[in-house]
Amino acid sequence: GAGVSQSPSNKVTEKGKDVELRCDPISGHTALYWYRQRLGQGLEFLIYFQGNSAPDKSGLPSDRFSAERTGESVSTLTIQRTQQEDSAVYLCASSLDGRFNYGYTFGSGTRLTVV
Amino acid sequence: ILNVEQSPQSLHVQEGDSTNFTCSFPSSNFYALHWYRWETAKSPEALFVMTLNGDEKKKGRISATLNTKEGYSYLYIKGSQPEDSATYLCAFPSNTGKLIFGQGTTLQVKP
Repeated sequence: GAGVSQSPSNKVTEKGKDVELRCDPISGHTALYWYRQRLGQGLEFLIYFQGNSAPDKSGLPSDRFSAERTGESVSTLTIQRTQQEDSAVYLCASSLDGRFNYGYTFGSGTRLTVV
Repeated sequence: ILNVEQSPQSLHVQEGDSTNFTCSFPSSNFYALHWYRWETAKSPEALFVMTLNGDEKKKGRISATLNTKEGYSYLYIKGSQPEDSATYLCAFPSNTGKLIFGQGTTLQVKP
């Protein structure tokens, strides 16, 4: 596609429920990243996929968070048993090859509210 | 822990003013330095990717300089306009393949 597509754009869920967020990167981009921004805070790295390599999960805040990516296409971020502190804007980004000569292209984000 | 610091945290200027803000990053093992603009209700947009010491990049009224030896980059906006109001983020690559973002400088330009 022309840009990075994320869905849903907004999600309100009850505490304790599971949620699934989707990211469709730019076609041909081998690197895909998930970040989040909680209220009043900066962009926090969550997970990074590069081609067929094992993902870098070092930013996932707890074992309630997991993510998958199918080949070099769609990624889903799953949050199990959501908590109020999970409320944030979840951003997905992709880049051409995971090197730093190219900027990231970000999606519009999913605003998650846990009530 | 890799630290990317930006200052000031926020800035209010009048339309037509020129302004600048700073990004500090580790000066060892430099790969690149990225600048992004994040407008409210939109997604972050890449402004510049800087890779060489002494690099100077320009896009319209916005420009950026890079000093890799001392570990800082400046972003300048000449003749600020209300549409420049946004959060400006700099980001530095970790040695494990992802960008670490600073907290950002939020610019508000009053008409």
